Order: sequence, then C-alpha cells, then structure tokens
Amino acid sequence: DAGVIQSPRHEVTEMGQEVTLRCKPISGHDYLFWYRQTMMRGLELLIYFNNNVPIDDSGMPEDRFSAKMPNASFSTLKIQPSEPRDSAVYFCASSSESVNGNQPQHFGDGTRLSIL
Amino acid sequence: AQSVTQPDIHITVSEGASLELRCNYSYGATPYLFWYVQSPGQGLQLLLKYFSGDTLVQGIKGFEAEFKRSQSSFNLRKPSVHWSDAAEYFCAVGSNDYKLSFGAGTTVTVRA
Repeated sequence: DAGVIQSPRHEVTEMGQEVTLRCKPISGHDYLFWYRQTMMRGLELLIYFNNNVPIDDSGMPEDRFSAKMPNASFSTLKIQPSEPRDSAVYFCASSSESVNGNQPQHFGDGTRLSIL
Repeated sequence: AQSVTQPDIHITVSEGASLELRCNYSYGATPYLFWYVQSPGQGLQLLLKYFSGDTLVQGIKGFEAEFKRSQSSFNLRKPSVHWSDAAEYFCAVGSNDYKLSFGAGTTVTVRA
C-alpha cells in the first residue's frame, strides 16, 4: 500500500509569493495532520482533519496560512503571502480511526520550503 | 494538556554498543505512547507504540521500549546499535482526540 504522498519535495520561492503544498493520505485513513518542523521549534501541529472536516486549527500561525481537504484523498496547505520565516519542512501525516481512540500517524517525506 | 520531555539532545554511541534514549511524559490519563525515527531528509517512521497491556513493547529494527507508569517514562532501548541507526528519535504521547505531542528529539550518532 502506498504511504502518505507529499508534493513537491522541495520548493524555493520568493517572499510574497503564494505557496501550495499537497498531500495524499493513505487510503482509508480518516485523520489527516499537517505539521511544521524547524530547528528552533521542533515539530508543531498546524491543523488536523477528520473525515475531511477541520477539527483543530489552533496551531496555524496566522491568517496567511490556510488548509483544505476537499475529499478523502487530497489536502492542501497554502501560504499567501509567504515570508522568509515560513521556511521549514512541512509534513503531512494520516491515521485511521479506532476504538482505542488513537492510532499511529503515518508520515510523508515532507516538503522542504525555502522562502527567499 | 499532554507533553513530552526528551532530556538528551544528542547521544554518541559506538557501533555494537547498547543504546537507551529517555522519554518522560505528562498526561492525566492512560497515555498512548510512540517512538518515531527520522533519517535525514525523510519523514518520521514509527518504531513502536504502547496503548495498554504488556509494558515492554517490541518494535521494528530491534528496538524495544518499556512503559513505567510510576516514573512517567517510556525509554527506548536497543542492545546493539548498527551504523544505520544514526538518526533523530522522537518520543510522542497521544490522547483520545488523536493529536500527538512530540518531544524535541534526540540525535544519535554512531561511531565506528
């Protein structure tokens, strides 16, 4: 089974430009998570979805960030306008629902974003 | 809210030696605990998980971890490390809302 697929793997753009990161979760997974990883702050949860509905976006840093999940197999994280401090590795992860209340999250390989 | 502390930022170990990575968590109820490994340029890969039951859990790549409720710890161990074990290791605690809180990570360097 294919894992979580993210695209692009690398993105370099100039500040002020719109950036769109994409994620395809594992088929059948009900939960999708977006994380940001930096040296200074480590892994931060930005937002997560359950059955395509945003559940908690309290980690989204500011209004320049938005995320959507139009269907069960696709999600986007958009930054508009981008700033140099947005440079980081962005990970998407997915997990399935269970009676235990928690299942391991499966991570994509990330998008390394550089804003010049 | 749950939280995780990994006291060691960096550990250097000789190939063939044993390895133990420390993890302490804070959570009011029975925790869901995970260890992930991240190689350079890669995403996080699940090594093992603890939900309930036997407090000693086995994972992939020869790793194991022991849950100790009295110490709020979930330390990761490997009896004999290989050069390919050089990576960053993250401990995480989950809750019923499906969110995970990650520690800051421990970087492991393996010397020949």
